[in-house]
Amino acid sequence: QSVVTQPPSVSAAPGQKVTISCSGSSSNIGNNYVSWYQHFPGTAPKLLIYENEKRPSGIPDRFSGSKSGTSATLGITGLQTGDEADYFCATWDSSHKVFGGGTKLTVL
Amino acid sequence: QVQLQESGPGLVKPSQTLSLTCTVSGGSISSSAYYWNWIRQHPGKGLEWIGYIYYGGSTYYNPSLKSRVAISLDTSKNQFSLKLSSVTAADTAIYYCARICSSTSCYRWAIDYWGQGTLVTVSS
Repeated sequence: QSVVTQPPSVSAAPGQKVTISCSGSSSNIGNNYVSWYQHFPGTAPKLLIYENEKRPSGIPDRFSGSKSGTSATLGITGLQTGDEADYFCATWDSSHKVFGGGTKLTVL
Repeated sequence: QVQLQESGPGLVKPSQTLSLTCTVSGGSISSSAYYWNWIRQHPGKGLEWIGYIYYGGSTYYNPSLKSRVAISLDTSKNQFSLKLSSVTAADTAIYYCARICSSTSCYRWAIDYWGQGTLVTVSS
């Protein structure tokens, strides 16, 4: 059981917007940066967001991140079928890395 | 371009020690900017951080695995390794090596590079 929780699944239609939440506590999200990753099974995860809201080079602005208190949110606009993947958040807790349980995004 | 590649046995017997190596190319493992991590994913489950090693050899492990884990660095080969002792079926997972950068000149505190992952099955 992860100390950082995400919804197991979300879904939306192509072109729509979806948000994925990541909920924790003051010992993790509340006092540390959050990063977000996209993961297609059988491949290496890909960094989408770091330091709560920053996008690495090459990540389209359809992906956004935010943090408020002990929760963080990943937003994806203009959904494409190629966005169908697992998404997970990560942060620190007492000097060790913790991950959310992951959210499966289905683009209907 | 930095690349990480895991290697090691795909099958380990219960009670034995799981040993994996991560070979880093395209960058030095000796830089003070990086933490070198092992992470695993149990079948159908989320990710679990195992631990990291810093360039000087300092390590930090997941408290739940600390008694069984050892991560080491081989700067001459630009590799770092994982040893997990007394394995059981519960240690069956995909094991990833990964890099975290602590410098402001990179994607700070995020995992910016991952290996492809290697499946390790614990079975007799």
